[in-house]
Amino acid sequence: AQKITQTQPGMFVQEKEAVTLDCTYDTSDQSYGLFWYKQPSSGEMIFLIYQGSYDEQNATEGRYSLNFQKARKSANLVISASQLGDSAMYFCAMREVDTGRRALTFGSGTRLQVQP
Amino acid sequence: DAGVIQSPRHEVTEMGQEVTLRCKPISGHDYLFWYRQTMMRGLELLIYFNNNVPIDDSGMPEDRFSAKMPNASFSTLKIQPSEPRDSAVYFCASTLRGLQRDEQFFGPGTRLTVL
Repeated sequence: AQKITQTQPGMFVQEKEAVTLDCTYDTSDQSYGLFWYKQPSSGEMIFLIYQGSYDEQNATEGRYSLNFQKARKSANLVISASQLGDSAMYFCAMREVDTGRRALTFGSGTRLQVQP
Repeated sequence: DAGVIQSPRHEVTEMGQEVTLRCKPISGHDYLFWYRQTMMRGLELLIYFNNNVPIDDSGMPEDRFSAKMPNASFSTLKIQPSEPRDSAVYFCASTLRGLQRDEQFFGPGTRLTVL
């Protein structure tokens, strides 16, 4: 069963604007972690931000913030002040802590293109 | 510190040949993961190890795939015999239990093409 859903295959944003990339998830675990990774055209996977299910505050890392709505099971990534270098694929992922399983389950990704 | 190291970065082989992908995790990390990325299936786990012991190999496609971790600093993923449908990018990642953000650190990937 699909556990991570990213409904936006592609997104466009103007340089310096903010953009939100959507992610919803499904789990029966009470404790879990949510992650966002960036994959530029060069192919590497770059960790951006992490949100634990029990974290009371939304995670922030520089220009990245995570809009975590636990009741809705959503973990949207917000990129503020977009830069041309933000053009990449973005993957949402989850780790289910209660099961003890360490592997990540990834969504299908969103391709973001930042326009000058 | 060096990140996760994978070799080769690119591999082109012919159907039926044996392929061996290699990974050196970040020193001190106790978990190692092999993921595969394809257009059709996205990013999916193949297998992961904890302290060199395979924990979950449910993602290994079939008997043609095997993975080993003989020591804490080296792992291999072998495909024998290879098939065109094995063409993908294979990522190795590592992490350490107890990291505050629990993130996995990915290697640059090996792009495998099976002709």
